[in-house]
Amino acid sequence: DVKVTQSSRYLVKRTGEKVFLECVQDMDHENMFWYRQDPGLGLRLIYFSYDVKMKEKGDIPEGYSVSREKKERFSLILESASTNQTSMYLCASSLTGRYEQFFGPGTRLTVL
Amino acid sequence: GNSVTQMEGPVTLSEEAFLTINCTYTATGYPSLFWYVQYPGEGLQLLLKATKADDKGSNKGFEATYRKETTSFHLEKGSVQVSDSAVYFCALRDPTSGTYKYIFGTGTRLKVLA
Repeated sequence: DVKVTQSSRYLVKRTGEKVFLECVQDMDHENMFWYRQDPGLGLRLIYFSYDVKMKEKGDIPEGYSVSREKKERFSLILESASTNQTSMYLCASSLTGRYEQFFGPGTRLTVL
Repeated sequence: GNSVTQMEGPVTLSEEAFLTINCTYTATGYPSLFWYVQYPGEGLQLLLKATKADDKGSNKGFEATYRKETTSFHLEKGSVQVSDSAVYFCALRDPTSGTYKYIFGTGTRLKVLA
């Protein structure tokens, strides 16, 4: 079974802090994604990566950056956390040419 | 642009009731359509998919038919169980953005009462 793990289930940070969210997948998938999930807005794509060191902006990249130094790991970085970044963050991965995305359990981030 | 619209929830049903969750889409070209399910405390997982018009996806008693004429992909189940309580997301794979990009609906929460 594909496993996508995220470093924390719950995280509380203060405004202005730098925040790192880590995601690891164990099935050698080329593609990895970061979404945020908000009530009434569904899932919105922040960034995705189709190969090591490659990244593309999604629909809402402002205030975020990403890093993919190894194939299995995709990090989301909030350079200076703000209260409007309080949300559930979901990581996903997929194999090129296959439709299905596999999701991690999510990190619920609260910024105070 | 491409979009997915699904019915607002929550939907509350008694066990063994019939379920329909409506989903309509707007897309250029011929998107692939999906239903994902998110159980409490978990990430999303693929429930079923359909890749072309008139295809029927099915899994775990759930079905959805790709209707191009009505641009719809409604999710149905004949007899729901308490264990089906979850949030259901309709999604399409954006055909103009290569392999990678999905567009998700806002999600519909289903609560099934014993």
